[in-house]
Amino acid sequence: QITLKESGPTLVKPTQTLTLTCTFSGFSLSTSGVGVGWIRQPPGKALEWLALIYWNDDKRYSPSLKSRLTITKDTSKNQVVLTMTNMDPVDTATYYCAHRKYSGYDYFDYWGQGTLVTVSS
Amino acid sequence: VIWMTQSPSLLSASTGDRVTISCRMSQGISSYLAWYQQKPGKAPELLIYAASTLQSGVPSRFSGSGSGTDFTLTISCLQSEDFATYYCQQYYSFPRTFGQGTKVEIK
Repeated sequence: QITLKESGPTLVKPTQTLTLTCTFSGFSLSTSGVGVGWIRQPPGKALEWLALIYWNDDKRYSPSLKSRLTITKDTSKNQVVLTMTNMDPVDTATYYCAHRKYSGYDYFDYWGQGTLVTVSS
Repeated sequence: VIWMTQSPSLLSASTGDRVTISCRMSQGISSYLAWYQQKPGKAPELLIYAASTLQSGVPSRFSGSGSGTDFTLTISCLQSEDFATYYCQQYYSFPRTFGQGTKVEIK
């Protein structure tokens, strides 16, 4: 059974760096074809794709946020970490991590519950 | 970047109705499209991938069609649990992108 759970601060100040951790079970990021992505959703708004890391450590980012994002994995801990620098109130959102379906394609069949991050001074 | 136009943004319907949601791409994506359902306060759930393949466990009243630039999600007989927001997502090219969502509400 695949599960994912996001963790991190619920409140960050403008200009600070956000670090979110996705802890998962039921799969390994050392297995060929596996990937974990991050998606966010501002309150009342649509989903926004942020980043994706693959089993082979290939990483992909949203171009609009690429300069601010870093995604890493710790295979031994079954974790994926997303850092976002220079946080702004417009970055207030629920942040989700999700498992890439075992298909070789980048859609997500399992999602974490999400974590709401508020950016405010 | 592939831009996605999802329509309508709001759909009012009754239980038992047949509803269709459209997702149009700014360029062709073959069949690299997924559909998700999201209920308030919950994470999205995968409904359909490869434009028309039903995810395991999803009721057969959901169906997807299309290829290239125009895609459709159809709910053949709307049930009470189907009132939610629906998103399309393309995975043809980077960055992967989501549509703006269609909220299906009770008429």
